[in-house]
Amino acid sequence: ILNVEQSPQSLHVQEGDSTNFTCSFPSSNFYALHWYRWETAKSPEALFVMTLNGDEKKKGRISATLNTKEGYSYLYIKGSQPEDSATYLCACNQAGTALIFGKGTTLSVSS
Amino acid sequence: KAGVTQTPRYLIKTRGQQVTLSCSPISGHRSVSWYQQTPGQGLQFLFEYFSETQRNKGNFPGRFSGRQFSNSRSEMNVSTLELGDSALYLCASSGAAGNTDTQYFGPGTRLTVL
Repeated sequence: ILNVEQSPQSLHVQEGDSTNFTCSFPSSNFYALHWYRWETAKSPEALFVMTLNGDEKKKGRISATLNTKEGYSYLYIKGSQPEDSATYLCACNQAGTALIFGKGTTLSVSS
Repeated sequence: KAGVTQTPRYLIKTRGQQVTLSCSPISGHRSVSWYQQTPGQGLQFLFEYFSETQRNKGNFPGRFSGRQFSNSRSEMNVSTLELGDSALYLCASSGAAGNTDTQYFGPGTRLTVL
């Protein structure tokens, strides 16, 4: 079964800090990598879907990169705001397999 | 466009009972996936359905089953409930199978087994 690892498990930053998280996955037979944001009392919300090595995606202050050869993706948040507080999930699958989620990184941003 | 809906939102059952949860995907979406979320475990994959066919199944016992109807609505059933089945059950829909499509999640059903 595909194993998706996320680090750190949690972190706490001050408003205005920039931060990044890591998602690691097996590089063999890679198909797609998803990032989601899950705020308390809400449903997970899709941020990015990436498929190609070297992909970079950006949405506002949040961006992500993908390295399929070494099996990792980074999620960056520039100038963190309290509303960025959430759990960030990555999920990965190989061709024909289900999307497997990591346990997430919980971000807390203090004002 | 209406989002993914799940019913019921909350459910309390006792050990040994069975439960059926329902998921209505976004209109036009044909793929539905189910996940279980428990503290410390993250989202655990249960099933994926596309056009009424189960494409993938997670590592759960046979007490967990599911199906998808011709209108893409999906149900999952858990028989002989155990305390450890207490969890948030999420479903997600996407336009196509293959998992390069964005998945849209419902609000979840919170199941408590006493």
